[in-house]
Amino acid sequence: GNSVTQMEGPVTLSEEAFLTINCTYTATGYPSLFWYVQYPGEGLQLLLKATKADDKGSNKGFEATYRKETTSFHLEKGSVQVSDSAVYFCALSERASGTYKYIFGTGTRLKVLA
Amino acid sequence: NAGVTQTPKFRVLKTGQSMTLLCAQDMNHEYMYWYRQDPGMGLRLIHYSVGEGTTAKGEVPDGYNVSRLKKQNFLLGLESAAPSQTSVYFCASRQDRGVETQYFGPGTRLLVL
Repeated sequence: GNSVTQMEGPVTLSEEAFLTINCTYTATGYPSLFWYVQYPGEGLQLLLKATKADDKGSNKGFEATYRKETTSFHLEKGSVQVSDSAVYFCALSERASGTYKYIFGTGTRLKVLA
Repeated sequence: NAGVTQTPKFRVLKTGQSMTLLCAQDMNHEYMYWYRQDPGMGLRLIHYSVGEGTTAKGEVPDGYNVSRLKKQNFLLGLESAAPSQTSVYFCASRQDRGVETQYFGPGTRLLVL
């Protein structure tokens, strides 16, 4: 079946460092791809998404490009801040039984030090 | 507009006890989902609903039951709690068939002793 694989964390960076969190997927069709962020003690929030190949999602300085040829959707940010410390989940949506179902990666914890 | 809310925030149960987790959304969304989040395993779908009065099994439905009697509420029940059900439970909702983005509640932390 479809699956999502994320790089294991935790990832620890200094403020203003460059961030990459790798995400690859396997899918039989053409899923949409998402990055969700979970701040401490909160639920997941949508960070960005892309619905087709070569689409770039972006939000709050984060970017990810839907790469069909490498089945990847890596999350990047040029300069992280302490406030970016959170757990990041890559996910895909697949259409099944008349609705969308979501498959989440295991999450990558990011810690940014001042 | 509160979005998705979950009750309670935290609960401790003894093995064999029962409880119901409540999810409520005020966005008039058709679809609702219950997930559990365990360390190193991401989110796994327990049950979901595509509209009022409907429910369907997800990836890990055993030991749980759900009901969607009103469009805005989605209840998750544990009839006889087990330690393996210790987890953080998230509810999510989605608008309709053409919109894929889910909106999540803040979660319920459940500890089964």
